[in-house]
Amino acid sequence: AQSVSQHNHHVILSEAASLELGCNYSYGGTVNLFWYVQYPGQHLQLLLKYFSGDPLVKGIKGFEAEFIKSKFSFNLRKPSVQWSDTAEYFCAVMNTNAGKSTFGDGTTLTVKP
Amino acid sequence: DTGVSQDPRHKITKRGQNVTFRCDPISEHNRLYWYRQTLGQGPEFLTYFQNEAQLEKSRLLSDRFSAERPKGSFSTLEIQRTEQGDSAMYLCASSLTDNTEAFFGQGTRLTVV
Repeated sequence: AQSVSQHNHHVILSEAASLELGCNYSYGGTVNLFWYVQYPGQHLQLLLKYFSGDPLVKGIKGFEAEFIKSKFSFNLRKPSVQWSDTAEYFCAVMNTNAGKSTFGDGTTLTVKP
Repeated sequence: DTGVSQDPRHKITKRGQNVTFRCDPISEHNRLYWYRQTLGQGPEFLTYFQNEAQLEKSRLLSDRFSAERPKGSFSTLEIQRTEQGDSAMYLCASSLTDNTEAFFGQGTRLTVV
């Protein structure tokens, strides 16, 4: 069974700091990869996705993620965070054979103004 | 709003009662997923449909849980004889096809007292 590990449960940053959230998965086959964000009181929203092609993908609000197949990783990055980025971030992996996604337990990001 | 819609948003029920939740996916989305999320955890897969066919059920889905998608449009999730451990956020998501990103609803928060 596939699993997804997000290394940081809670990250606290000051505005303008750089962000990197780790995500590793265990599955040897072909995967699609996602980062979702959940702002306080709102539903899960797609931040970015990787299906194939360039392993560096760009999403909304200045976020990007890099797929490193050899490391089974899909880390999320943003060069300069804003207070409005305070939210919970979930990494998800879809086994293309199964067609359903497995989620990590999430990382809560708090950005101090 | 043409996103995924879930009803009700909140449900408080007494232990032993039956509850039913409804999900209206994005129009023309063939795939519909149910997930459960508890505090501090990521969404856990429960079941999914391809049109009206239920393709997979998680081991988390005991025989007290049943889901339907009778006409390949909206779906219902019923929990019979609720237990306190069923208290969670129940999330519905839909996707256009298999292997595309899922769009989530606001969820139904169930509290069993």
